[in-house]
Amino acid sequence: DSGVTQTPKHLITATGQRVTLRCSPRSGDLSVYWYQQSLDQGLQFLIQYYNGEERAKGNILERFSAQQFPDLHSELNLSSLELGDSALYFCASSGEGARTEAFFGQGTRLTVV
Amino acid sequence: AQSVTQLGSHVSVSEGALVLLRCNYSSSVPPYLFWYVQYPNQGLQLLLKYTSAATLVKGINGFEAEFKKSETSFHLTKPSAHMSDAAEYFCAVSGPGNQFYFGTGTSLTVIP
Repeated sequence: DSGVTQTPKHLITATGQRVTLRCSPRSGDLSVYWYQQSLDQGLQFLIQYYNGEERAKGNILERFSAQQFPDLHSELNLSSLELGDSALYFCASSGEGARTEAFFGQGTRLTVV
Repeated sequence: AQSVTQLGSHVSVSEGALVLLRCNYSSSVPPYLFWYVQYPNQGLQLLLKYTSAATLVKGINGFEAEFKKSETSFHLTKPSAHMSDAAEYFCAVSGPGNQFYFGTGTSLTVIP
């Protein structure tokens, strides 16, 4: 158990809909990361938050947004969903310093039909 | 800028044979390097990490990796493959701001 909790584990929704994925980081970790993993794109970095502030942005679509709340949990919002958004979405968290590793949650499998 | 390159998206080995997964890094600062493993339908799990102490790093499940600055490499090895080692393996380097840069992954198949 990595200590990172993601909910829900599975999500099936229709095209055009909006969903919210939730992540609770490990206790004490201030950094939260979101990744998208699909068969054709591999592991793609979406966005990083540090203590409530956006720190880095990767290949995140404009239809996607995220935030980190004062209690450090994070949510990833995906809107106007398309079939191509079907993927595994991972959240990870890490502590301070470049020597610390990222701990990954089990992921949310999103299926858009 | 930080980046890693994993050579070989698919590697097949026989059970009991040596496992060698290749990773080369590029870093503008002394690198901190990581290997992760991902089993089907699971999240990434840390195998081992290099943080500038010993150049030979031992990890879980019998894996180890050697940091070679002259070759900018951090290859992952295991002397004898088990069926349970079949998984996806990712190399990563960390950079300023606690950002992580992952390779494209190597899928390891173990043939009985």
